[in-house]
Amino acid sequence: DTAVSQTPKYLVTQMGNDKSIKCEQNLGHDTMYWYKQDSKKFLKIMFSYNNKELIINETVPNRFSPKSPDKAHLNLHINSLELGDSAVYFCASSQAGSSGNTIYFGEGSWLTVV
Amino acid sequence: DAKTTQPNSMESNEEEPVHLPCNHSTISGTDYIHWYRQLPSQGPEYVIHGLTSNVNNRMASLAIAEDRKSSTLILHRATLRDAAVYYCILRDASFQKLVFGTGTRLLVSP
Repeated sequence: DTAVSQTPKYLVTQMGNDKSIKCEQNLGHDTMYWYKQDSKKFLKIMFSYNNKELIINETVPNRFSPKSPDKAHLNLHINSLELGDSAVYFCASSQAGSSGNTIYFGEGSWLTVV
Repeated sequence: DAKTTQPNSMESNEEEPVHLPCNHSTISGTDYIHWYRQLPSQGPEYVIHGLTSNVNNRMASLAIAEDRKSSTLILHRATLRDAAVYYCILRDASFQKLVFGTGTRLLVSP
């Protein structure tokens, strides 16, 4: 069983569209994250949720709206997609409580905006 | 966010040991040193982490300098599958997020 799974794996869409990426973890963790990896391969945190509450929001445009219906899910909705949103988006999860805890990443969702 | 410095790339031959260095001179007393790697077209994968003492696991060893201002990830016998970008990351206790730098691209030759 995949620990952190995200769908879709590949998404090609036109500018201006609204799209969502879903993420689920079956590890029983209470903290989930979204990371973005751009064309230069630089990985940057976007959001972090702990027990369905937003705890980190790294100056991401408000076109990006994360939603956590329960602590096993953290979905990412993007409005009015722009060319610059093309990237790989990684969902991740960890147990809170210690910075020694491991973070587990999904396999990524490749978003291409045309 | 505390910063780390790593070489952009390193090369190794298969079956040989690899020592990947990382400098983190601004590390604070509660920062954990984490290593993750990213294989091509995959998500980052945990390798090892430590606080003060050297650590070993089935994937690698982590040697931490006594002053904690540097560390070295040791792959005892590199395989082709170890070709990846290796990230040395300091994870602070307050925010718990991982802040990735540019990492070291490890090339492994047969």
